This record gives sequence, C-alpha cells and structure tokens, in this order.
Amino acid sequence: AQTVTQSQPEMSVQEAETVTLSCTYDTSENNYYLFWYKQPPSRQMILVIRQEAYKQQNATENRFSVNFQKAAKSFSLKISDSQLGDTAMYFCAFIPMDSNYQLIWGAGTKLIIKP
Amino acid sequence: DTGVSQDPRHKITKRGQNVTFRCDPISEHNRLYWYRQTLGQGPEFLTYFQNEAQLEKSRLLSDRFSAERPKGSFSTLEIQRTEQGDSAMYLCASSSGTGQETQYFGPGTRLLVL
Repeated sequence: AQTVTQSQPEMSVQEAETVTLSCTYDTSENNYYLFWYKQPPSRQMILVIRQEAYKQQNATENRFSVNFQKAAKSFSLKISDSQLGDTAMYFCAFIPMDSNYQLIWGAGTKLIIKP
Repeated sequence: DTGVSQDPRHKITKRGQNVTFRCDPISEHNRLYWYRQTLGQGPEFLTYFQNEAQLEKSRLLSDRFSAERPKGSFSTLEIQRTEQGDSAMYLCASSSGTGQETQYFGPGTRLLVL
C-alpha cells in the first residue's frame, strides 16, 4: 500500500523562527510528484510547493523549501522566517504516476506560529 | 483564471434528505477530483473525472453517492438518503492534465447532517 506519514501532529514556534515539518512516504513507484499543501483555519487548501521525483534539486518557493531524499523516501518542508499567517494545517501528499492521479495524503501537521 | 469554485459553501440537512453539490473547475482543466475531509484529517479520495468520463471511484463512494460531469465542465456530487456519518467537508480539485499534475482546490462544501 502507498502511504504518507507525518509524524508531528502539532508544532509551535515563535514568529521569525525556522521550522521543519517532516514527511515520509512509501511507494514502489520510481516516478511521482510530491506536494506540500497548506490549509489555514476554515480556509481552502493551497499549494505550498511541489517536487518532481526525477529532479535531484530541492524545490524552493520564497521562504519555503524542501529537503527531498528519494532513497530515504523523505520529503520535509522548511519554513524560514515564519510569519503569523503561516499558522495552518500542513499536508504532505504525493501522486504516483500510475494512480489515475489521485493524491495520497498524510494526516497533517498543525503548525502554530506564536507572536 | 478564477480558481475552483464550489456551491454551496455550507449545507445543513436532515438525515434521509438528498443533497447536491456543484464544482466549477479552473477553465480548460480536464481533470476533476472529489475528496472528503473530516475534521483534523487529510482528504480522502472519492472519485475522478477526465473530461466527462468518470475514471475511478473509491470504495468510500457508496451507492448513495453519485457524481457527474456533463460536457466535461462543471461537476455535481449527489448524496441520497444522507446519514450523520456523511457530515464532512467535500472538496473539489482540478488539474490541467498536461503533465504537471498539480491539483488546485476549491473552498469546499461543509455538510452537516442532523
């Protein structure tokens, strides 16, 4: 079975600190996409960052970056200079290329940024 | 690009009633997905359309659930004879199908069955 594990149910950090959210996944596929989505309280799911498994270079989007370790099947998200607006549930997900493109999700990490 | 829209945003119904939700994907996105999300959990896949064809349905999708995507544009998700266990957020997403496979989500329809 293909699964995603987010081992941190909840994290909290002070504003402006750096925080890393962990994600591991299990698949026998070689080609897939990985995603981090953010879901603020009572608001919609927003894409934070994506990574193609065939790319060795880690994706970066402004303050958000990933550490993709394909052999270890690890895909952590680093948020630098955290802001109050980063408070949200963060979901790790991936799409194996032969799955009819359905996302396989982790259970999420609740991130709280404290002022 | 106006994003994915869903209607209604909230629905309260009594057990046994039928409800229908609508999703309008990003224009020209040929793939459309329905997910269900309960509080504190990640979304669960329900079904997937490529254009007007429904290509996959989850085992979660009982006979009381039906989805359509006429003409490959908007989609509807109907739940017949609602049960309290159907209470959840129903999310719709779309993707372009051009190989990038990023799914863009709507705001969801929150269903409460009394």
